[in-house]
Amino acid sequence: DSGVTQTPKHLITATGQRVTLRCSPRSGDLSVYWYQQSLDQGLQFLIQYYNGEERAKGNILERFSAQQFPDLHSELNLSSLELGDSALYFCASSVGQGVTDTQYFGPGTRLTVL
Amino acid sequence: GQNIDQPTEMTATEGAIVQINCTYQTSGFNGLFWYQQHAGEAPTFLSYNVLDGLEEKGRFSSFLSRSKGYSYLLLKELQMKDSASYLCAVTGSNYQLIWGAGTKLIIKP
Repeated sequence: DSGVTQTPKHLITATGQRVTLRCSPRSGDLSVYWYQQSLDQGLQFLIQYYNGEERAKGNILERFSAQQFPDLHSELNLSSLELGDSALYFCASSVGQGVTDTQYFGPGTRLTVL
Repeated sequence: GQNIDQPTEMTATEGAIVQINCTYQTSGFNGLFWYQQHAGEAPTFLSYNVLDGLEEKGRFSSFLSRSKGYSYLLLKELQMKDSASYLCAVTGSNYQLIWGAGTKLIIKP
């Protein structure tokens, strides 16, 4: 158990819908990262927040957005969902904002778009 | 450009030793991570190398050569539970980690 929690574990929805994924980082960690992993694919970095501010942006679609709240939990919003958005979405956290900080991953949310 | 190469899949026998290679090209290199990921589960941290050389942690060791842009993960005394994907990630520019596609390791009895 990494100490990072994600809800929900599973989510099934239809094309065109909007969903929100939630992540709570490990106690003391200030950075939150979001990743997408499609079936048998590598991890795709989406976005990083550090202490409430956006720190780095990866290949995040315009239909996706995220934020980190004052209590440091983070939410990833996915809208106008398409079949291709079906994937595992992982949240990770680290103590600092640096790229050399070890990231600890949550159990993931499996999103299925029908 | 920035990229990482790992073999897609490897097969090894229980009790044996296996070496998983990772080659990379990146600007702004500061270190290299190895993670283990069982199917459908979260990646878990294995090691982080900054300096050249071998770092040993129990049955797992990781090696780095910065001048060659090369690392490997060495797994000894393989167990069935070691069947997983092994992800290599390097620090790059733009304050991001660059992730390899992962090496799927299959352990046979």
